[in-house]
Amino acid sequence: AQTVTQSQPEMSVQEAETVTLSCTYDTSESDYYLFWYKQPPSRQMILVIRQEAYKQQNATENRFSVNFQKAAKSFSLKISDSQLGDAAMYFCAYRSLNNNDMRFGAGTRLTVKP
Amino acid sequence: ETGVTQTPRHLVMGMTNKKSLKCEQHLGHNAMYWYKQSAKKPLELMFVYNFKEQTENNSVPSRFSPECPNSSHLFLHLHTLQPEDSALYLCASAPAKGASYEQYFGPGTRLTVT
Repeated sequence: AQTVTQSQPEMSVQEAETVTLSCTYDTSESDYYLFWYKQPPSRQMILVIRQEAYKQQNATENRFSVNFQKAAKSFSLKISDSQLGDAAMYFCAYRSLNNNDMRFGAGTRLTVKP
Repeated sequence: ETGVTQTPRHLVMGMTNKKSLKCEQHLGHNAMYWYKQSAKKPLELMFVYNFKEQTENNSVPSRFSPECPNSSHLFLHLHTLQPEDSALYLCASAPAKGASYEQYFGPGTRLTVT
């Protein structure tokens, strides 16, 4: 079964600076999707960014970008120009294409300091 | 109203009570999910429904009973729960087939079992 590991339970960043959240996963599949979700204190989980495993190009969404290293099974999230509203729990997730399985990491709590 | 809604948002129940959690999605999706979120643990997938049919049950105790009367509604019936069942219960929906397979989450129900 696939597993997702987020090795940083907590991270902090100064406002306007850049922070990188780590995620590694284990799978024997060659094609899959990877996601980063954000869960603010209000608890509504929202999608930040997605990456298709067959695409070599790293996904980017405004200030959010990923570093996808397929061979290393690594999928880190970089947040540039951090804002106070970026403070939240961030979850890395793996989605198999063969079933409905979606595996989440334990999450990283990001604090943004003014 | 759009998105995924969940009611109630907060629930306190005794171990002998019977209650139900409700989830509704207005996104036209055909897959719906129940997750359990406990502190400092990865999200635990509980149940998956595709086109109203249960396709996954991740060894969830029988005191949790799901029901999916149609593609827009999902229930989680609770009875004789244990204190360790206290958690945030998240509902999600997704296209059963789609380019990205991303899931859309509701705000969750905070359950406390006394």
